[in-house]
Amino acid sequence: DVKVTQSSRYLVKRTGEKVFLECVQDMDHENMFWYRQDPGLGLRLIYFSYDVKMKEKGDIPEGYSVSREKKERFSLILESASTNQTSMYLCASSLTGDRTDTQYFGPGTRLTVL
Amino acid sequence: TQLLEQSPQFLSIQEGENLTVYCNSSSVFSSLQWYRQEPGEGPVLLVTVVTGGEVKKLKRLTFQFGDARKDSSLHITAAQPGDTGLYLCAGLNSNSGYALNFGKGTSLLVTP
Repeated sequence: DVKVTQSSRYLVKRTGEKVFLECVQDMDHENMFWYRQDPGLGLRLIYFSYDVKMKEKGDIPEGYSVSREKKERFSLILESASTNQTSMYLCASSLTGDRTDTQYFGPGTRLTVL
Repeated sequence: TQLLEQSPQFLSIQEGENLTVYCNSSSVFSSLQWYRQEPGEGPVLLVTVVTGGEVKKLKRLTFQFGDARKDSSLHITAAQPGDTGLYLCAGLNSNSGYALNFGKGTSLLVTP
């Protein structure tokens, strides 16, 4: 079974802190994604990566950066956390990215910025 | 961004009732997927439809892809409390080619 793990289920940070969210997948998937999920807004794509050291902006990249130094690990970085970044963050991975491919999601990190 | 509109946003029904959830767009998608998300967990894929007019069944769940590949529906027969969750439709983002555009979801509550 594919497993996508996220470093924390719950995280509380203060405004201005630098925040790292880690995601690891164990199935040698090429593609990895970061989404945030907010009530009434659904899942929105922040960044994705289709290969090691490659990254592409999603629909809402402002205030975030990412790092993919190894194939299995994709990190989301909040350079200076703000209260409007309080959200559920979901990481996902997929093998090929073609139209029938499955995205496998981690359990999510609920981040609160005070 | 290709928008996917889901309706209804919330649905609360009694066990044994039937229901239909809709996913509509003005854009054509090469495929549409349906995911279910339970509280505290990430979404899990239920089905992928790729051909216009395609119908797929998963036990009591029936998924249909519109002929023009712009819309899809999910029909649940004789809903059970275990069907409770957030149902999300998703289509490939034409800009990225890899990432998905998600609808906002339909939150279903089935009470005994």
